[in-house]
Parts: sequence; structure tokens; C-alpha cells
Amino acid sequence: DTGVSQNPRHKITKRGQNVTFRCDPISEHNRLYWYRQTLGQGPEFLTYFQNEAQLEKSRLLSDRFSAERPKGSFSTLEIQRTEQGDSAMYLCASSGQTPGNEQFFGPGTRLTVL
Amino acid sequence: AQKVTQAQTEISVVEKEDVTLDCVYETRDTTYYLFWYKQPPSGELVFLIRRNSFDEQNEISGRYSWNFQKSTSSFNFTITASQVVDSAVYFCALSEVFYGQNFVFGPGTRLSALP
Repeated sequence: DTGVSQNPRHKITKRGQNVTFRCDPISEHNRLYWYRQTLGQGPEFLTYFQNEAQLEKSRLLSDRFSAERPKGSFSTLEIQRTEQGDSAMYLCASSGQTPGNEQFFGPGTRLTVL
Repeated sequence: AQKVTQAQTEISVVEKEDVTLDCVYETRDTTYYLFWYKQPPSGELVFLIRRNSFDEQNEISGRYSWNFQKSTSSFNFTITASQVVDSAVYFCALSEVFYGQNFVFGPGTRLSALP
């Protein structure tokens, strides 16, 4: 399967714990995006990478959130000191570098913070 | 600023009916791209169509067609002869070229195609 993969698919954690999600993009794509989607809403942009460089971060991305893409391949999104408001689906997408390229999405990681 | 509005929250149609999903956008960029994505109950977003801001030619692809009008900042999407498998949430998205290339999604329209 050469699509975007995300792990884990589901994560249940207690408030205050740290969680980390992983995204493996389509191998030839050098852009990688993270989005958050809550029930009944469209995906909201969090951040994106071109290769290993993090080029843009949303104001939604508080200092408890950090994302990395150390070798320009897979990426991790960490949330520290989780809050109940962090409960959402976290989506990863990848694309080529050309403006206007469609983004291909992974299945998402559903986070539930108790 | 970028903004995408999908005024229709939910639509129900009977199979074989045509249905049009509305999308209105706001952008500060002169060069941008518009997209439609489908999110079926399984949850994974699926790319459907793309249009750039310089091409207002409307097209048909199978049962899908779209109507892009810059004058009204609209990018509407039509499914002809709807089928039960079309039931999903449909998202319109905007990507600017010069002001950051992340996607801004609308809130989505839930389509139920009933047998």
C-alpha cells in the first residue's frame, strides 16, 4: 500500500498525559501536512513541512503541540499535557511541491482525552 | 483572509436525482486552487476535483461536474444521477499560492442519497 499511513488509529489518554502520533507520507511527496478535525467540522490546518523544514504553523498550534519531520520522510505530532479540548481526529496529508497539487490524506488518528 | 463557506449543512436526495453542492470562497490571492473532497463514513478524505483560478471552464467527469464562477466566488459541485454510495460529507477547499499553500476547508455538506 503506497498511501498515507497514520499510527495509531485510535488513542485514549487521560488529561495531562503526553501523546505522540506518527504519519508516513507517500514516499515521493516532499510536503507533509497536519490537520485537526472535530465532529461536524472541516479539517483545520495545523502545520506543514517541505522536506524536513517546518514552513508554516497555524495559530491553533499552541506551545503544547510540536511536530517534527527529522529526515524529511515520516513525521510525528506530539501533544504535551493533553486537555479534553484536544479530543479530535488528527489527519495527515502529503503532496508534491508544485502549487495546487492535491493533498492525499491518511485515515487519521482519533484522540480521546478523558 | 481565506475563507470557505458551505451554506448547506445537510442534503437528502432520492437515488437518481441530481444534486448540487454549493461553495463560496474568499481569498486575497489572485492565484489559487479550489478542490472538492469526499469523506465517506469510513472517514478517509478522498480527492475528487481541482480547479485553478485562471480556468473558469466548467467540466464534466463522469457523474461529476463543477461550475466555477470567479465573479461570484463560487465553486459548485454537481452529482448527476446520485447513488447510495455517494452518501458522504463533501468538503470544498481553497489553496492560495502566494499566501501559504495550506488548504482551508469549508465546514462540509452531508449528503444522504436514499434508495
